[in-house]
Amino acid sequence: EAGVVQSPRYKIIEKKQPVAFWCNPISGHNTLYWYLQNLGQGPELLIRYENEEAVDDSQLPKDRFSAERLKGVDSTLKIQPAELGDSAVYLCASSLGTRRTTDTQYFGPGTRLTVL
Amino acid sequence: TQLLEQSPQFLSIQEGENLTVYCNSSSVFSSLQWYRQEPGEGPVLLVTVVTGGEVKKLKRLTFQFGDARKDSSLHITAAQPGDTGLYLCAGATSGTYKYIFGTGTRLKVLA
Repeated sequence: EAGVVQSPRYKIIEKKQPVAFWCNPISGHNTLYWYLQNLGQGPELLIRYENEEAVDDSQLPKDRFSAERLKGVDSTLKIQPAELGDSAVYLCASSLGTRRTTDTQYFGPGTRLTVL
Repeated sequence: TQLLEQSPQFLSIQEGENLTVYCNSSSVFSSLQWYRQEPGEGPVLLVTVVTGGEVKKLKRLTFQFGDARKDSSLHITAAQPGDTGLYLCAGATSGTYKYIFGTGTRLKVLA
């Protein structure tokens, strides 16, 4: 079975440009997460979806970041305009969505964004 | 803001040595997880602990959840080069369905 798929794997853009990341979760997983990970640090949650509903977006910088999960399957995270400080790895994860804290999250390989 | 502090931040040891990584917080967690992440990949779940004082073993890795459920440790016996990676703890507080990740411990095991 395929794991969480993310694309692109790498992206280099100039500041003030827009950028978008795509994530396809594991089939049957209702919950989808977007995380930001700075080098050598732990991931920080940006947004969590249960099906197509964003149930936790408290850490998403809404002035420049947006996300959608139409039809409750794959998801897109967008940054517009990008700033130098946005350079990081953007991770997508999915879980079955059993509403238990022991629910296992499966992570994709991430998209490494470099803003010049 | 990271609520989970891990120590040490970096660790470089020789193959065969033992090591312990710590994960500490002032918050009480209903469950705590440990992940290992290799370069260019996402974190992979190693274990979940939910009961204060709980000890779980995964081959040469031993995980312990503190009695008060505020801290945890990961002990590796006879480390091997394949253990190299970034080790992350993550805790979930009661009533939430999200994990807060720790600051990470980067381990390098030299052959």
